[in-house]
Amino acid sequence: KAGVTQTPRYLIKTRGQQVTLSCSPISGHRSVSWYQQTPGQGLQFLFEYFSETQRNKGNFPGRFSGRQFSNSRSEMNVSTLELGDSALYLCASSSGDLRMNTEAFFGQGTRLTVV
Amino acid sequence: GNSVTQMEGPVTLSEEAFLTINCTYTATGYPSLFWYVQYPGEGLQLLLKATKADDKGSNKGFEATYRKETTSFHLEKGSVQVSDSAVYFCALIKTDKLIFGTGTRLQVFP
Repeated sequence: KAGVTQTPRYLIKTRGQQVTLSCSPISGHRSVSWYQQTPGQGLQFLFEYFSETQRNKGNFPGRFSGRQFSNSRSEMNVSTLELGDSALYLCASSSGDLRMNTEAFFGQGTRLTVV
Repeated sequence: GNSVTQMEGPVTLSEEAFLTINCTYTATGYPSLFWYVQYPGEGLQLLLKATKADDKGSNKGFEATYRKETTSFHLEKGSVQVSDSAVYFCALIKTDKLIFGTGTRLQVFP
């Protein structure tokens, strides 16, 4: 079956703009999580959605937001982009609660460059 | 709080050498532990996991044992290949999110 699909793969945006990233989870998976990967901070958790509800949120400013649709697809939005938002944004899907030993499957990521 | 500490990289080895990448964790309770691998230009792939103390996770010749006494989950492989060159991340589960270490880059030369 198809894996986790993230679009677009690459983006270049200007400071102050906003951007929307998309993630389509594996069919049947209801949980989608987002992570930011940078050389300086490593992998940091942004938020997690399950059945259209945000269940968990990391320590990011309010400029970072997300949502999940009824088909489990998720979008992440970053407003008023800053140079420091340049990163690889990874999406992970799972069938349920990771604490119950379900596996998280990651997409290839969206590489965002802010200039 | 909960955190994961990995050895700094890069780790540079010749093909068929023995690999150890150290990982220690700080956590309340006994969280599940994971090793993920990231190949160039790719996302993360689960390499192996262990869910309780003394469990040994293994996959593709890699192994790691959940050591409660030393709060460690070191990754080992007896004979690395050039194709193992990648970045390896140790991680734990906390309230349904993954907390990652900083990653260790492994470079294997023929």
